[in-house]
Amino acid sequence: RKEVEQDPGPFNVPEGATVAFNCTYSNSASQSFFWYRQDCRKEPKLLMSVYSSGNEDGRFTAQLNRASQYISLLIRDSKLSDSATYLCVVNRHSGNTPLVFGKGTRLSVIA
Amino acid sequence: NAGVTQTPKFQVLKTGQSMTLQCAQDMNHNSMYWYRQDPGMGLRLIYYSASEGTTDKGEVPNGYNVSRLNKREFSLRLESAAPSQTSVYFCASSEVYSGANVLTFGAGSRLTVL
Repeated sequence: RKEVEQDPGPFNVPEGATVAFNCTYSNSASQSFFWYRQDCRKEPKLLMSVYSSGNEDGRFTAQLNRASQYISLLIRDSKLSDSATYLCVVNRHSGNTPLVFGKGTRLSVIA
Repeated sequence: NAGVTQTPKFQVLKTGQSMTLQCAQDMNHNSMYWYRQDPGMGLRLIYYSASEGTTDKGEVPNGYNVSRLNKREFSLRLESAAPSQTSVYFCASSEVYSGANVLTFGAGSRLTVL
C-alpha cells in the first residue's frame, strides 16, 4: 500500500459547485498534514495545513480523521481559478523531517 | 524576495553526460530538498539536507549526488545521465512553523536525457 493515496481524478465540475477530495495515509504515527496546490507546469505551493479539529480558509475546508487515517479537502463555490492539481502531503514525524507527497488529484472547473 | 532559485530551467543532455543542478534559497531555512516529479509518479524525494553539513538519501537516490555548499545552496549532480533521469526536478527549502515542516519550492528544472 502506498504511504499516501489519492484519487487522481480528473474531477470536472461546473463553476459554483462544491467538490471534495479525500486522501488516505498508511502510517498511523504521521504527525502533520497539508494540502498543496500545483498549477500546470508550475511548482507546488502550500494551500493549507490540516489540523485535528478541522480548519477553514475562505472557501476551503480541511479535515483530519486520525482513526480512519484520512484527510479531506472541501472547496465551496468553485472558481475557474481553482483548476489545478491538489497534493495531499504527510509528515511522518514532527519537526524537520521530509514530507511524503501523494500523486495528486486533478480538478478542472468548467464555465 | 526571490525565495528558492533553481538553475537551469531547461537542459537537454546526452546519455552519459554529467551536469549539476543548482539551488539557492534566501529565507535562512535550515533544511533543503531535491525532488523529482514524473507523470503518474508524483513527487519523489531524491536527497535532503536537514542542516548545513548534513545530507541524507531519500526514496530515489541512485544515480545522483548532492552537496550542501553552505546554508543557502544545495546542488544536485548527475554523474552519468540516463534516459530514466528525464524528469522535472524541484528544489525546496523548509522551516518548522508551529511544529509543522512547511516547504517552499523552486520553479523547477526540466531535464531531458536523450
